[in-house]
Amino acid sequence: QKEVEQNSGPLSVPEGAIASLNCTYSDRVSQSFFWYRQYSGKSPELIMSIYSNGDKEDGRFTAQLNKASQYVSLLIRDSQPSDSATYLCAVLAGGTSYGKLTFGQGTILTVHP
Amino acid sequence: EAQVTQNPRYLITVTGKKLTVTCSQNMNHEYMSWYRQDPGLGLRQIYYSMNVEVTDKGDVPEGYKVSRKEKRNFPLILESPSPNQTSLYFCASSFDRESPLHFGNGTRLTVT
Repeated sequence: QKEVEQNSGPLSVPEGAIASLNCTYSDRVSQSFFWYRQYSGKSPELIMSIYSNGDKEDGRFTAQLNKASQYVSLLIRDSQPSDSATYLCAVLAGGTSYGKLTFGQGTILTVHP
Repeated sequence: EAQVTQNPRYLITVTGKKLTVTCSQNMNHEYMSWYRQDPGLGLRQIYYSMNVEVTDKGDVPEGYKVSRKEKRNFPLILESPSPNQTSLYFCASSFDRESPLHFGNGTRLTVT
């Protein structure tokens, strides 16, 4: 099992719809979780960080964390064509691998007009 | 301007010729890290550093070396590059390990 796994893409949604991106992780002691967006040919940039169970909202983005289920998700409301990118889930290890940050393989999102 | 600077942006080299990719940040960050990105495999951590003189292996450290002699610099060294190290490399830094990463612009390395 991969340490961090994202739902397979690509994901295509119409403009104005909700895009749902999912991520599961295997390290039960992980405490910090991040979603990054990466446009083609560019560096990743942070969208959201989440550290405790529940929802965290920032504009059109909502991150959801469920540590018991080892699951983190990102919802994008009112999707726009400019949201088309690769979305990367990242999980910070706990325990002895204190500084290790593992990324999922990414989900390609396309928002079509 | 707060930034992470990697050099060079593009590098073509031959098998076995030692090379160094430099990384510098001007944000006084404690945590720095190197990643490689390959199609279908996502970003994989090579090495990370929690502070000066403190480095540790990530998921794919074989064939790479790093050093952290100063807080701002974290060079990636390939002593004897091989074609399977052809990849897009990113350096990143953050205030501490739990803070979000700031990424450099990437270095595209080709080893022939």
